[in-house]
Amino acid sequence: EAGVTQFPSHSVIEKGQTVTLRCDPISGHDNLYWYRRVMGKEIKFLLHFVKESKQDESGMPNNRFLAERTGGTYSTLKVQPAELEDSGVYFCASSPGVRGGYTFGSGTRLTVV
Amino acid sequence: RKEVEQDPGPFNVPEGATVAFNCTYSNSASQSFFWYRQDCRKEPKLLMSVYSSGNEDGRFTAQLNRASQYISLLIRDSKLSDSATYLCVVNLYNNNDMRFGAGTRLTVKP
Repeated sequence: EAGVTQFPSHSVIEKGQTVTLRCDPISGHDNLYWYRRVMGKEIKFLLHFVKESKQDESGMPNNRFLAERTGGTYSTLKVQPAELEDSGVYFCASSPGVRGGYTFGSGTRLTVV
Repeated sequence: RKEVEQDPGPFNVPEGATVAFNCTYSNSASQSFFWYRQDCRKEPKLLMSVYSSGNEDGRFTAQLNRASQYISLLIRDSKLSDSATYLCVVNLYNNNDMRFGAGTRLTVKP
């Protein structure tokens, strides 16, 4: 069974540019999550999809971040325009239901210069 | 108070030692608790769930104390391969959105 796949694994962009991160969850997992870890801080929740619907987006830092999950399959997280403080590792995770742990992707390391 | 708070660490122990990590959580109504392990520059991986009655998986024992709102992880007979960051994770509001502690770094030395 394929795991959670994230693309790209690394991205270096200039301040003000746009970046789109992609996550392919485990097939059949309705729940998809985005998390972020900035340098020296704990992993922070960004948002949660159930199928194509946003269940909770309370962790999204501001309106420069836009997440979508068209058709309830893969998800994208767009940052536009990127700022220096957006640098960090963005993790995607998926789970089949409301109990149990998540399976994480290997993350996208974003560096804004 | 932080939502999920862990021992700051780092913990540096010799092989064969027993080490324990604690984690406190802010919402007394939380129902689901987990320990994840994260290796350097890798994604977190589920180590074990934490059940009300406590549970054991080989050298690892997890316990929950609801009255004091903390969970613990005990590692016996530490191996070099146990070196990692251990993350306490709580389904804090029972809505399937997990909240992470900052992690505790463990280094097991020969």
